[in-house]
Amino acid sequence: QVVLTQSPSASASLGASVKLTCTLSSGHSSYAIAWHQQQPEKGPRFLMKLNSDGSHSKGDGIPDRFSGSSSGAERYLTISSLQSEDETDYYCQTWVTGIQVFGGGTKLTVL
Amino acid sequence: EVHLVESGGGFVQPGGSLRLSCAASGFTSSSYAMSWVRQAPGKGLEWVSTISGSGGSTDYADSVKGRFTISRDNSKNTLYLQMNSLRAEDTAVYYCAKVVGTTGGGVDYWGQGTLVTVSS
Repeated sequence: QVVLTQSPSASASLGASVKLTCTLSSGHSSYAIAWHQQQPEKGPRFLMKLNSDGSHSKGDGIPDRFSGSSSGAERYLTISSLQSEDETDYYCQTWVTGIQVFGGGTKLTVL
Repeated sequence: EVHLVESGGGFVQPGGSLRLSCAASGFTSSSYAMSWVRQAPGKGLEWVSTISGSGGSTDYADSVKGRFTISRDNSKNTLYLQMNSLRAEDTAVYYCAKVVGTTGGGVDYWGQGTLVTVSS
């Protein structure tokens, strides 16, 4: 069973960049993932699908400030030019056919 | 534009039942699998169930297997979740989610959620 691990929290300064990490469990380093953003009291929003080779396809209207990359079992979400509205929760997700697996989420603080 | 609108949430006593609905628009319903994902208060996202585009294949999380039933009516572009034998730990916001493929894959659209509270 694939497991996704995320750091519970991250922080970066306004206007800077931050790189969030999602780690796939052993034996699953070839899996694609998706990144989702969730603002308080709202449904999640799909940011992008990220493949093991680092290629990614973003959701509707997602700004260029959001990008993805991969290295081995690690999947990254980089947010550049951080804005105050980026301070929220981020989840990674993978799947095995119909079974969905979510990481525990990272709460991003913009200083 | 894809829209997913959940309804049917509410307050129910332990052991009770509830049926959630999700009205979908903006895409051909039968071409995509759909999932239910829940989020307990203050917690992360937890996958509940997925149904294939045709409705012929379903998957369930162990925590709800045997108690919840996912179904869909593609003629009405509506997804359902029948929840029986509800427990306090089922208390959560339930989100309807569109999946990228016909039988499975990642989620690319989410609804706004409907709150289910199980309490005596």
